[in-house]
Formats: sequence, structure tokens, C-alpha cells
Amino acid sequence: GAGVSQSPRYKVAKRGQDVALRCDPISGHVSLFWYQQALGQGPEFLTYFQNEAQLDKSGLPSDRFFAERPEGSVSTLKIQRTQQEDSAVYLCASSLAASGSPINEQFFGPGTRLTVL
Amino acid sequence: DAKTTQPTSMDCAEGRAANLPCNHSTISGNEYVYWYRQIHSQGPQYIIHGLKNNETNEMASLIITEDRKSSTLILPHATLRDTAVYYCIVFSRGSQGNLIFGKGTKLSVKP
Repeated sequence: GAGVSQSPRYKVAKRGQDVALRCDPISGHVSLFWYQQALGQGPEFLTYFQNEAQLDKSGLPSDRFFAERPEGSVSTLKIQRTQQEDSAVYLCASSLAASGSPINEQFFGPGTRLTVL
Repeated sequence: DAKTTQPTSMDCAEGRAANLPCNHSTISGNEYVYWYRQIHSQGPQYIIHGLKNNETNEMASLIITEDRKSSTLILPHATLRDTAVYYCIVFSRGSQGNLIFGKGTKLSVKP
């Protein structure tokens, strides 16, 4: 069956460019998460959507980062004026459950590896 | 959410059981123990979770001590494909749902 897909898988950007990373969650999944994973580290939370509502964006590192999920399915993470420190793997995960559920099996996509030169 | 402590790395011989420990001494009563793993160049994959009883599924077994301050993930017959970073995560019931990953344990299964 279809899992979580992300595109592009790899993105190289020059410093200062804007990038947009796409996530297609599993159909019907209510919750959607974005994580950032630096080399050699575990993933770190960026933002959370419940359907189309962005309920938590506390993990976004700066106002250059923006995420949306306008119809409650596909989500886009946008990074404006990319900097070298933005280089990382960006992971998207979806979950059938809404927030507050004790059942939290998250399904992760393969990630987008962003390299900023 | 409670903090977890895991060894940085472990080795296991192919076909033998891999026992991955996790310390979560500050866990509270409504917090679950979750295990995920991440194979190189892939996203994390859910393995198993538990509250206080031992759990088993097709992938692994989870043994939680009676005081819930530690747990062990057991892969009964490790294969080369089980080489990955294993993350032990404590997750609070009623929380938003975002996972707090540490650095995990790098398990290397050797032939």
C-alpha cells in the first residue's frame, strides 16, 4: 500500500534561495508532523498539523520556515533565504490519530535531503 | 516527557537475540514507552510500544521493568537488515503527539 511520500528526495540550493518541500501523507491520516534531522542526530520536531490546522509550530527554527496543509492532506514546508545551517534531512510523518490519543504510530516518509551551498 | 538514556552503540551476531536497553527513570504513570528504528537513508519506522505490561509483535518484544524505570527491546533473531539506529521514546498520553528522539543506539548486526 502507499506510504508517506516526499519530494524531492534531494535538493541542492544556493544560499539565499527559497525551497519548497512536499509531503504526501497516508490518505485519511489526521495528524501530520515535520521533523528536521541533522547529520548524526535524531530527528527534531518542527511543526504539527491536525487536518488543515497548524496546532504547533514551536519547533520552527526561524521565521524563514513556513509550513502549510491547506486541504488537510498534502503539506508543504517552505524555507526562505536558505542558509548553510538549514542543511539537513527533512522528514514528514503522518498518523491516523488526532492529538491526545495514546496510540501514536507515526508513519515516516523517506525524507528530503537539503544541501545549502 | 521523560528523558531516556540508551547506549551509543551495540554489536550483535546474526541469528542471535539483540537486547537493547533503555533507561527512563523519570517516567510518569501516563507515559508510554515507544521504540522506533531508522535504517540508513530511510525515515524512522515504528516497532512497538507499551505502558506497563510486556508486549510482543511480529517484529520484537518489549520488556518493561515492574517499576517502569527501564525497558529492553528484544529482536529475537537478528538479521543483517536489523542494522539500524534504535530510538527509545517516552510519550505522554494526552500530549500532542510529536516524538522526542534522542541519539538512540546504533545496532550493528554482524555475520
